[in-house]
Amino acid sequence: SAVISQKPSRDICQRGTSLTIQCQVDSQVTMMFWYRQQPGQSLTLIATANQGSEATYESGFVIDKFPISRPNLTFSTLTVSNMSPEDSSIYLCSVEDLRGELGYTFGSGTRLTVV
Amino acid sequence: AQSVTQLGSHVSVSEGALVLLRCNYSSSVPPYLFWYVQYPNQGLQLLLKYTTGATLVKGINGFEAEFKKSETSFHLTKPSAHMSDAAEYFCAVSAPSGGSYIPTFGRGTSLIVHP
Repeated sequence: SAVISQKPSRDICQRGTSLTIQCQVDSQVTMMFWYRQQPGQSLTLIATANQGSEATYESGFVIDKFPISRPNLTFSTLTVSNMSPEDSSIYLCSVEDLRGELGYTFGSGTRLTVV
Repeated sequence: AQSVTQLGSHVSVSEGALVLLRCNYSSSVPPYLFWYVQYPNQGLQLLLKYTTGATLVKGINGFEAEFKKSETSFHLTKPSAHMSDAAEYFCAVSAPSGGSYIPTFGRGTSLIVHP
């Protein structure tokens, strides 16, 4: 399965600022996924990022708040913009292995605290 | 549409006791089913999966799960709990949609192991 390097692993940010999270995959993948895991909650899909096209956002998430870049088949970034304390969460990137039949591989997550 | 219900946000067992984490799903097509584990401050790790074939699947760390179509269940078990099993466990279901198999996650069950 793929190996994902995600950074930063954690950060504490001031409200109103932005944070960019990076994910690097050790193999080429068509789609990358970004999830949010709020405290005590399950994973919520933010968006799907395809190389060469705009990301597809799930209901409740918008590009202005969570801009995503996907410059090539091994890399993606998620930016959390104009942060508020409600954005404090764990953010995870993920890729699917063999059309999802082998499951999904996750990065180690970015624990974001907004103060 | 697909959904996952995990019964019990917390399960507490003694070391050496049986572990049973419950998962029920709904899916309009034959699903793929997964269990993931999340240790503190880490990303998700795939424990086991069911796609096709044998309904009893074995995973890492002595865990196994049985797909029961008639009961729409995929409960996770381990005969003897170990302290190192303490973690958050997520059940997930995925089914083909637009060429992808994006999973839907349950809310998670926190496994607590007492000495």
